[in-house]
Amino acid sequence: DGGITQSPKYLFRKEGQNVTLSCEQNLNHDAMYWYRQDPGQGLRLIYYSQIVNDFQKGDIAEGYSVSREKKESFPLTVTSAQKNPTAFYLCASSILEGGRYNEQFFGPGTRLTVL
Amino acid sequence: SQQGEEDPQALSIQEGENATMNCSYKTSINNLQWYRQNSGRGLVHLILIRSNEREKHSGRLRVTLDTSKKSSSLLITASRAADTASYFCAQKSAGSNYKLTFGKGTLLTVNP
Repeated sequence: DGGITQSPKYLFRKEGQNVTLSCEQNLNHDAMYWYRQDPGQGLRLIYYSQIVNDFQKGDIAEGYSVSREKKESFPLTVTSAQKNPTAFYLCASSILEGGRYNEQFFGPGTRLTVL
Repeated sequence: SQQGEEDPQALSIQEGENATMNCSYKTSINNLQWYRQNSGRGLVHLILIRSNEREKHSGRLRVTLDTSKKSSSLLITASRAADTASYFCAQKSAGSNYKLTFGKGTLLTVNP
């Protein structure tokens, strides 16, 4: 099956710890994205990457880091510098068509809770 | 904030009725997309309408776009209980190759 997988589904973190959320896709998509969703809110962009070994900050990158060593993988690390990390995290990917990225395909999400 | 707004925030209807959700945005767009999210899940792309299009259909979905009013609407006809979900509009701004700006969504409940 083609698609995007995220793991784990639920993650609990103690204050002061860094945690890494996994995102893998086998769609051969060029671009990958990380979003944060808070209750009753829309999605806010954390980081995105258009090619391997390159990524850019989104609107709320502070306290987060990413890497893109392989086309298929785009892990997100939530660092201890992120003051309010409890949220639902969504990974997405899209393919370049006609010079543009259009629809995005989303993974099932990881719910992070800080204890 | 460049975030768009959906209206209403919540909508409750009976099975078989039509559901209309509206979206307003602030900047010029390249295209506007609608997504669906079941509770606790990822988003699923429903339909994309380009800035030079005024109306688009996909099955029971009908999307309209009025660029002069910077607004779009999503109509779901003959709704089913399985349509219960949150619906988000997302704008791709003109001049942006990658970024989608999502609204806060409309929570649709279809009662059997």
